[in-house]
Amino acid sequence: QVQLQESGPGLVKPSETLSLTCTVSSDSIISSGYYWGWIRQPPGKGLEWIGNIYSSGSSYYNPSLKSRVTISVDTSKNQFSLKLSSVSAADTALYYCARIEFTRSYRLGVWNYYFYMDVWGTGTTVTVSS
Amino acid sequence: QSMLTQPPSVSAAPGQKVTISCSGSTSNIGNNYVSWYQQLPGTAPKLLIYDNNKRPSGIPDRFSGSKSGTSATLVITGLQTGDEADYYCGTWDTSLSAGVFGGGTRLSVL
Repeated sequence: QVQLQESGPGLVKPSETLSLTCTVSSDSIISSGYYWGWIRQPPGKGLEWIGNIYSSGSSYYNPSLKSRVTISVDTSKNQFSLKLSSVSAADTALYYCARIEFTRSYRLGVWNYYFYMDVWGTGTTVTVSS
Repeated sequence: QSMLTQPPSVSAAPGQKVTISCSGSTSNIGNNYVSWYQQLPGTAPKLLIYDNNKRPSGIPDRFSGSKSGTSATLVITGLQTGDEADYYCGTWDTSLSAGVFGGGTRLSVL
């Protein structure tokens, strides 16, 4: 079955850039029709959506993080990555990558969005500290 | 502060039924489809319900979802001690062009 695995440094210094990679197994980023994204969970807190990307490069980001976030895709390696710049202690969290169903339908003059994460990685902890 | 509002905690006895609510607005739940996730202690979230009321393969029919207006509900029947977990609702917010989650509800099976 489809598996996702996060990797990257577990410790990042304040003001530096956090970089994580998600490797996808048993599915193809370029042909699956899914979006691929990142979600984080600060210690003892709830889930926060960071953003998602399609193989074409089409992407969406959390407005509160948009100025600092970049998500990219490497189709040759079947991986996608997260970069979060100018980190602070508030960015300390468990970071998950996920496969995301993201489509829409038009009904009665309104777009209705389908949006859910059907496969999750196990998560990787990132601590921001000097 | 989450765009979707969930009760912080709910509890019920084994074998009983519990409902978890998720309240939003027209820009999110009102016009888009809702999903629910179960996060057992120390593990990654798992998809329980998608498209308001559909279950992925392998999810027992003890778990069901519904939506009415700008609110959604997760119902768990025949509670088991193994259901003790945090439960999150999620959807897309059209105005924000962003994914949003509820703050999470901790279920205790007493």
